[in-house]
Amino acid sequence: DAGITQSPRHKVTETGTPVTLRCHQTENHRYMYWYRQDPGHGLRLIHYSYGVKDTDKGEVSDGYSVSRSKTEDFLLTLESATSSQTSVYFCAISETEETQYFGPGTRLLVL
Amino acid sequence: GNSVTQMEGPVTLSEEAFLTINCTYTATGYPSLFWYVQYPGEGLQLLLKATKADDKGSNKGFEATYRKETTSFHLEKGSVQVSDSAVYFCALSDLVDSSYKLIFGSGTRLLVRP
Repeated sequence: DAGITQSPRHKVTETGTPVTLRCHQTENHRYMYWYRQDPGHGLRLIHYSYGVKDTDKGEVSDGYSVSRSKTEDFLLTLESATSSQTSVYFCAISETEETQYFGPGTRLLVL
Repeated sequence: GNSVTQMEGPVTLSEEAFLTINCTYTATGYPSLFWYVQYPGEGLQLLLKATKADDKGSNKGFEATYRKETTSFHLEKGSVQVSDSAVYFCALSDLVDSSYKLIFGSGTRLLVRP
């Protein structure tokens, strides 16, 4: 299995608070991705990174920001969490840009 | 835009039954196609992939053939086991703004009964 960890694995927070999720890889892969998974929607891309300090928006980027200051870490921040951001968040990595490997996920509940 | 459509679940089968999960896609060009599997409480794992028309991806007894003429990539297994119970996602790799993105179907839950 690809070396990908996500932290925290579970989080409960209140509406309006900032939240940061961390993705850490030990594979030295160039590309990193953040997805959210919701019933009936499969996985939807939030943001992705194609190198250190190089990031771009995905399909559902509103309300989220990301940062990548090191190859191994990709942070997802919810500046002011809303109940619609309750979801399961997955990080993925890729070297070839086509085949992606996924982390174990973070379950976020916004009350 | 490009998209992936999967059959609605859940699919419930008895052990040793034959499995087919349908997947069709809409795409310009010739994307690579993937099947991912998600076991309960876990992330997605790549199950198999095919990169061009008529290619067959296979892994752990599962197979899928890239059919350009029918724009399909159906997942099959000859004899399912209880341990195959999971959610299966079909996906295609889409070139957008000079970068590849995965576009996923909504997933099909498979339940295999002993």
